[in-house]
Amino acid sequence: DIQMTQSPSSLSASVGDRVTITCRASQGISYYVAWYQQKAGQVPKLLISAASTLQSGVPSRFSGSGSGTDFTLTISSLQPEDVATYYCQKYNNAPWTFGQGTKVEVK
Amino acid sequence: QVHLVQSGAEVKKPGSSVKVSCKASGGTFSTYIFNWVRQAPGQGLEWMGGIIPMFARGNYAQNFQGRLTVTTDESTRTAYMELSSLTFDDTAIYYCVIAVAGAFDVWGQGTMVSVSS
Repeated sequence: DIQMTQSPSSLSASVGDRVTITCRASQGISYYVAWYQQKAGQVPKLLISAASTLQSGVPSRFSGSGSGTDFTLTISSLQPEDVATYYCQKYNNAPWTFGQGTKVEVK
Repeated sequence: QVHLVQSGAEVKKPGSSVKVSCKASGGTFSTYIFNWVRQAPGQGLEWMGGIIPMFARGNYAQNFQGRLTVTTDESTRTAYMELSSLTFDDTAIYYCVIAVAGAFDVWGQGTMVSVSS
């Protein structure tokens, strides 16, 4: 099975900072990567699909890039409401594996 | 617009089974991919298995082969997840999720399953 390795596992940044989270697939998966945001006590929310397609209503400070094996989620200017855990996921075929998650905090 | 409502919290004994339901409103039920994802306390998201009602055949993660069954009932627009031989490690929130446009874009509210003696 293809593994999804996410890094870092946690980060702390200041409001306004640019934040980057990476996700590496153990084999090529084209652009079939999604990114989810899960705030404490809430249901996960789809932010980005197809590696770079922002979902409706998601702030434009979020962006995704990559294809093949290496993918990136970027928050261009971190806001207090972005405190959450972020997960990548492959969805080219089953098993639809998630990365381990990255916990983002504000300093 | 699809909306998913899951059944309520469950408390189960080790060795028993649990069946969680997920009722869908809106959309074309038979074409959706219904998935089940769980999250143990303080842990990440784990895909368990999925099913497309049109094909009526489940697809299961290796970790759950043999003790997980996912089914759907188109007449009631309901998906089900049954997990057997429960252990304490199965204590988690179980989410029903639909992949409408590929990724997991519609989530149920989650069902807490606690395994306790």
